[in-house]
Amino acid sequence: DAGITQSPRHKVTETGTPVTLRCHQTENHRYMYWYRQDPGHGLRLIHYSYGVKDTDKGEVSDGYSVSRSKTEDFLLTLESATSSQTSVYFCAISEEITDAGELFFGEGSRLTVL
Amino acid sequence: GESVGLHLPTLSVQEGDNSIINCAYSNSASDYFIWYKQESGKGPQFIIDIRSNMDKRQGQRVTVLLNKTVKHLSLQIAATQPGDSAVYFCAENIWTGANNLFFGTGTRLTVIP
Repeated sequence: DAGITQSPRHKVTETGTPVTLRCHQTENHRYMYWYRQDPGHGLRLIHYSYGVKDTDKGEVSDGYSVSRSKTEDFLLTLESATSSQTSVYFCAISEEITDAGELFFGEGSRLTVL
Repeated sequence: GESVGLHLPTLSVQEGDNSIINCAYSNSASDYFIWYKQESGKGPQFIIDIRSNMDKRQGQRVTVLLNKTVKHLSLQIAATQPGDSAVYFCAENIWTGANNLFFGTGTRLTVIP
């Protein structure tokens, strides 16, 4: 398994509170991604990073921000959580040179916003 | 947004039979098409991909077929085993400086012993 650790794995929070999810990799891969998975929608890309301090928006970026200060860490922040952000969040990584779409996923972080 | 969908949400097969999972896509600009497998409680796992200029690719017990004329993708699993029970996602990759994958909603494959 690829060396990807997500934390926390489970979190319950209240509407309006800030939440930060962390993704840590030991593979030294350049690209990192945050996806959310919801029933009926599959996985949707929130944000991605193509290097330290280099990030870009994905399909569903509203309400989320990210930061990458080190190669190994990619943080996803919900500044003010809403119930619509209840989801399972997956971090993924990919190697320097690939256009084939082979991403390695973490185990997921289940977030419940009450 | 992009549209990647599946014809059937569930599929049940007998152990040892072959499985075929289908997927329709709408974006002709995709560079690659990929199949992922997701077991319960885990993240998706890459199975196989196919470049947009190919129509068939084989792996170990799996074959992916791409029909660009009708924008259809399929995953064939030979001699299906209980360990193949999972949700299977097709995805299309459009390179935008990083892998920008658009996933379908998934098909749940159940293998009956």
